[in-house]
Amino acid sequence: EAGVAQSPRYKIIEKRQSVAFWCNPISGHATLYWYQQILGQGPKLLIQFQNNGVVDDSQLPKDRFSAERLKGVDSTLKIQPAKLEDSAVYLCASSPGTRATGELFFGEGSRLTVL
Amino acid sequence: AQSVAQPEDQVNVAEGNPLTVKCTYSVSGNPYLFWYVQYPNRGLQFLLKYITGDNLVKGSYGFEAEFNKSQTSFHLKKPSALVSDSALYFCAVSAGNTNAGKSTFGDGTTLTVKP
Repeated sequence: EAGVAQSPRYKIIEKRQSVAFWCNPISGHATLYWYQQILGQGPKLLIQFQNNGVVDDSQLPKDRFSAERLKGVDSTLKIQPAKLEDSAVYLCASSPGTRATGELFFGEGSRLTVL
Repeated sequence: AQSVAQPEDQVNVAEGNPLTVKCTYSVSGNPYLFWYVQYPNRGLQFLLKYITGDNLVKGSYGFEAEFNKSQTSFHLKKPSALVSDSALYFCAVSAGNTNAGKSTFGDGTTLTVKP
């Protein structure tokens, strides 16, 4: 079974530029999550999708971050404009559904450096 | 709101000795509790979970964890540590009765096992 795929693995941009990250979850997983992991901290949830609908985006900085999962499969997370404090690893995870037993399957992450 | 505390940033043990990585949590309702491991430049890998039933749960690579409701703890343990267990460990909690997949993570504990 293929795991969660993410790209790009690494990205370096200047502040105020834009960046997009892509995620393809495990086949058949209805729920998709984007987490932000700042160095030295645990992952923090940005947004949770169930199929193509948003379940929770309460921690997403909506003035600069956006995410979509138009066909209920893969997803894109965008940051525009980027700030220095956005430097982090962006982790995508999937699970069979919100009523499943809760363990998450993570991709390897996309490391963003904002200069 | 749900939260996790991992009181130790670093745990050092000698190979062959038992190890414990501590975790306490706070959540409304019945907790779903998880441990994940992260190796350098990799995503998080699921180790084990507690949902209900026996307070001692067993997981991958010989790890186990003990759920203690009165102390709101879920410590990770292994009877005999291996050098290859050296990694970053995260404890996570979710509210199982509402959204099992929405996990809140601790800030992690770095485990170093010395030969």
